Amino acid sequence: QVQLQEWGAGLLKPSETLSLTCAVYAGSFSGYYWSWIRQPPGKGLEWIGEINHSGSTNYNPSLKSRVTMSVDTSENEFSLKLSSVTAADTAMYYCARGARGVNVNMVRGVLYEQNYFYMDVWGKGTTVTVSS
Amino acid sequence: QSVLTQSPSVSAAPGQKVTISCSGSSSNIGNNYVSWYQQLPGTAPKLLIYENNKRPSGIPDRFSGSKSGTSATLAITGLQTGDEADYYCVTWDSSLSALFGGGTRLTVL
Repeated sequence: QVQLQEWGAGLLKPSETLSLTCAVYAGSFSGYYWSWIRQPPGKGLEWIGEINHSGSTNYNPSLKSRVTMSVDTSENEFSLKLSSVTAADTAMYYCARGARGVNVNMVRGVLYEQNYFYMDVWGKGTTVTVSS
Repeated sequence: QSVLTQSPSVSAAPGQKVTISCSGSSSNIGNNYVSWYQQLPGTAPKLLIYENNKRPSGIPDRFSGSKSGTSATLAITGLQTGDEADYYCVTWDSSLSALFGGGTRLTVL
C-alpha cells in the first residue's frame, strides 16, 4: 500500500525559504503527478503545485513566482521550495499522489475533451510556522 | 476567496440525506471532471469521489457525485455521526492548475 511522508523545517523566519520533501513508499513513482497542498490554521485547502517523474511542473498562479518543485526518482522523493515566506505561509503542508489526464468523449457527434484530476493518496502532513 | 464556491456549512439529522454543491465556471468545472474529498477533524483529506461520480475502492455507496454544467454536487445518504467533516471539491482549471472549493462543514445533528 502506497504511503507518503513529508518532512522539513517546521519553524522559519520571515524572508527565509521553506523546504519540504515527500517520500513515496511501496509504490510506483512514474505515471503519477505529485502534488503539494497546504492548509492555514482554521482555513481551507490550497493547491500549491505538482510535478511528475520527469520533472514537468504546474504551479498555482498565485504562488508561481515563489515556488520550485523538484523530483529525485532514485529516492522516490519530491520536494517543495517556497521562497520569501511570510506569516501567511504558516500552514499544514500535505503531499499527495495525483492522477491527471484527458478523456475524450463524443457528444452529439462532436469530440469533447475533459481533464480529470484527483489525489488518491495523501501524506499525514507537516506543520510549518513562520514567525520572527 | 475560492474560484469554486461551496456553501460554508450544512447540517442534517442522522439517517437523512444531505447535498453539498460546488459552483464554478466554463474554465474549470464546465469542461473538466470534479473530485470530492472528506477531511475529518485533525486528519489529512481523503478522496471520496473522482471523475464526477466514481467511488474509490472502500468508499460506501452512501456517497455519490454528479455534475451539471458548471456545478457539481456531492450527496450523502443515511447520514452518520462519523460523517461530520469538512468536504472539498476539486477540479482542473484552464490556467493549468488545480482548484479547491472553499470547503463545506457538515454537522450531523
